[in-house]
Amino acid sequence: QSALTQPASVSGSPGQSITISCTGTSSDVGAYNFVSWFQQYPGKAPKVMIYDVNKRPSEISNRFSGSKSGNTASLTISGLQAEDEADYYCASYTISNTVIFGAGTKLTVL
Amino acid sequence: EVQVVESGGGLVQPGGSLRLSCAASGFSISNYWMHWVRQVPGKGLVWVSLIKSDGSGANYADSVKGRFTISRDIAKNTLYLQMNSLRVEDTAVYYCVTADGPWGQGTLVTVSS
Repeated sequence: QSALTQPASVSGSPGQSITISCTGTSSDVGAYNFVSWFQQYPGKAPKVMIYDVNKRPSEISNRFSGSKSGNTASLTISGLQAEDEADYYCASYTISNTVIFGAGTKLTVL
Repeated sequence: EVQVVESGGGLVQPGGSLRLSCAASGFSISNYWMHWVRQVPGKGLVWVSLIKSDGSGANYADSVKGRFTISRDIAKNTLYLQMNSLRVEDTAVYYCVTADGPWGQGTLVTVSS
């Protein structure tokens, strides 16, 4: 099964909003509301930012939000900050009882 | 405090075996779907295996199916990954995770002769 499709990189200036897309198929992203987003700094373990499409762990800033339309999920970061510069991965549960990840998106804060 | 601590990684020769452990605290693994995810340093995240909260529905990525087995000990609140017939391409940091919980630091598995 192919990976979910994410842009390789996105960038934005402090204070702006950016959106990272994650495109799958009707067998994964489109099939269930089980999409998660992870943030990872170089050399560090990932951290879950969004789960179940749009739920946020209590410790995660409300600047991070998730949504889904059809086979595409999105992560939006508002009020961009320098500390948001990291790699972001999406993941989805599939109809085959497996999980599939995207290849990751490098966010650069200009 | 909710946390997971992975252990059991190390250097093993191709064809060898390892058992990874994931000790959970602050929550019961019997209430969550648990996953193993791996990552080659500098590369992306790759899902390996899952087990559902009721202990059913264990499944595996095609690349490890037939070689890896996921299991758990509810009394010890610990998740395991038995890894047999290891290959060089299994070299990675292995993480145990839930959908919404914190990630541990992972455990490094190196398969090399």
